[in-house]
Amino acid sequence: DTGVSQDPRHKITKRGQNVTFRCDPISEHNRLYWYRQTLGQGPEFLTYFQNEAQLEKSRLLSDRFSAERPKGSFSTLEIQRTEQGDSAMYLCASSLRAQGYNEQFFGPGTRLTVL
Amino acid sequence: AQTVTQSQPEMSVQEAETVTLSCTYDTSENNYYLFWYKQPPSRQMILVIRQEAYKQQNATENRFSVNFQKAAKSFSLKISDSQLGDTAMYFCAFLASGNTPLVFGKGTRLSVIA
Repeated sequence: DTGVSQDPRHKITKRGQNVTFRCDPISEHNRLYWYRQTLGQGPEFLTYFQNEAQLEKSRLLSDRFSAERPKGSFSTLEIQRTEQGDSAMYLCASSLRAQGYNEQFFGPGTRLTVL
Repeated sequence: AQTVTQSQPEMSVQEAETVTLSCTYDTSENNYYLFWYKQPPSRQMILVIRQEAYKQQNATENRFSVNFQKAAKSFSLKISDSQLGDTAMYFCAFLASGNTPLVFGKGTRLSVIA
């Protein structure tokens, strides 16, 4: 399967714990995006990378959130001191930056439940 | 900032019938793209159809077509000959021409009834 993959698919944690999610984009894609989707809502942008550079962060990305893409390939999203409000589906997408429109391909998501 | 509004939280349609999902958006950009994404119960987001704002012709992909009204900032999706597999959440989304992140609406849950 050459699509976007995310790991784990589900994560249950207790409030106050740290969690880390991983996203593997389509291999030739140089842009990688993180979105958060809460129940009954559309995905909301968190942050994105072009290669290893983090180019934009949303106001939704509080100080407890950090994302990395160290070698311009896979990316990790870490949430420290989780809160119940962090419960959501975390979606990753990738695209190839080129002239004109570049489709974003989405992964299956990581569903986080904070107890 | 761009906003996308989907005013129909839920819709249902009989199998083989036609259904139209509504979307309006607000932007000051002149060049942009609009999309409809499908998110089935398994939750992987799939692109259904896209429209470039500079194109007057409405996009069509098999049973899916759009009605793009740029002046009215309206972008509806028509699904013809609805199939059970069309049951999903449908999200309207906006992308500015610089390939910045997508801005999504809240979605419409479509149920196709046999």
